[in-house]
Amino acid sequence: AQSVAQPEDQVNVAEGNPLTVKCTYSVSGNPYLFWYVQYPNRGLQFLLKYITGDNLVKGSYGFEAEFNKSQTSFHLKKPSALVSDSALYFCAVSAQTGANNLFFGTGTRLTVIP
Amino acid sequence: KAGVTQTPRYLIKTRGQQVTLSCSPISGHRSVSWYQQTPGQGLQFLFEYFSETQRNKGNFPGRFSGRQFSNSRSEMNVSTLELGDSALYLCASSIDGAYEQYFGPGTRLTVT
Repeated sequence: AQSVAQPEDQVNVAEGNPLTVKCTYSVSGNPYLFWYVQYPNRGLQFLLKYITGDNLVKGSYGFEAEFNKSQTSFHLKKPSALVSDSALYFCAVSAQTGANNLFFGTGTRLTVIP
Repeated sequence: KAGVTQTPRYLIKTRGQQVTLSCSPISGHRSVSWYQQTPGQGLQFLFEYFSETQRNKGNFPGRFSGRQFSNSRSEMNVSTLELGDSALYLCASSIDGAYEQYFGPGTRLTVT
């Protein structure tokens, strides 16, 4: 069975500072990892994915994530936060090749303070 | 390209009724997945359809069902609605094998 943990419900960061949103996962087999962002009253938007290859994955809007197999983590990062980055962020995992049955974390609300 | 569209956007139903939600995927996408989002349970996978066949199913009761048409459009149906079915229902489409899913804006269902 697969699961995802996002240990922080809320992350606050000052505009211009680096941000990190944490995610750890549990899955049997090779993990397929994703980050999505949700703005108020809207669906989820895809940010980035890790399937295989380089552990550092770059995605949309300047975000990146680092896959760490030994720590079973996939933290989302951005070097310089913008106020417009304020949103709800979800980490998700699938353990099946090509499968679209994602298991999502509980979400982390990111607030960037001007 | 037009994004994923879902209709209706908002729906109010009474306990015991049934409801049908519709999803039109991005052109060329053959996989459609459905998710339920609630404050208490978060985002949960309902089922996935590919080429008119259910390929994966989440842990939901049989009151939740779906189907996919030859043009990849999908519908999900919930029968005998319960108060706990109140949620945002999200549809997502993808090109098979591409992994990333593109989500629609959702249908907010309120059961009274």
